[in-house]
Amino acid sequence: EPEVTQTPSHQVTQMGQEVILRCVPISNHLYFYWYRQILGQKVEFLVSFYNNEISEKSEIFDDQFSVERPDGSNFTLKIRSTKLEDSAMYFCASKPSSSYEQYFGPGTRLTVT
Amino acid sequence: AQTVTQSQPEMSVQEAETVTLSCTYDTSESDYYLFWYKQPPSRQMILVIRQEAYKQQNATENRFSVNFQKAAKSFSLKISDSQLGDAAMYFCALEDSNYQLIWGAGTKLIIKP
Repeated sequence: EPEVTQTPSHQVTQMGQEVILRCVPISNHLYFYWYRQILGQKVEFLVSFYNNEISEKSEIFDDQFSVERPDGSNFTLKIRSTKLEDSAMYFCASKPSSSYEQYFGPGTRLTVT
Repeated sequence: AQTVTQSQPEMSVQEAETVTLSCTYDTSESDYYLFWYKQPPSRQMILVIRQEAYKQQNATENRFSVNFQKAAKSFSLKISDSQLGDAAMYFCALEDSNYQLIWGAGTKLIIKP
């Protein structure tokens, strides 16, 4: 069964460094998402992406964040200059059309030191 | 603003018994989707069940069923014949017209053998 994959599973970085989190959505899916979950807290929406552009973004998704779909298969989340409070699990999700549920990847745990 | 509330931080149930997890939500939209996701210790987010708001019939998936009360904005999850593998965090989520998920804080389900 096709699944969403994410790499790396765990990323440790120093404050101020740039990180790129990678996701490979399921191949025929059209809608893509990033969410984050700070340890012990609820999952928060970051951004949605459709038709090669951002369709929605939350207040969390400020100028330090960007997303790309560089080659038609990968979907990346870049954090330009990481802060301690960016430490969280980051989940990628995708879905084939508007009326389907979102399929989640296993997450990337980002630790900023 | 749309919100999802799970008032039970933790629930426990004896193996083979039935447990109900509560969820209430608030939205001004008439058409939306509701979901229950399970997050085991591996942190992978797994869809348990979904409900379309326009459908009056409660969704069921094997041992999992929902009690959807649209007027009361309530969406509880019933797990019958609880199994040890059901132990996880359970998240209730609302998908709005922008196709982003708004999440509850989660309920930790403990299964007693």
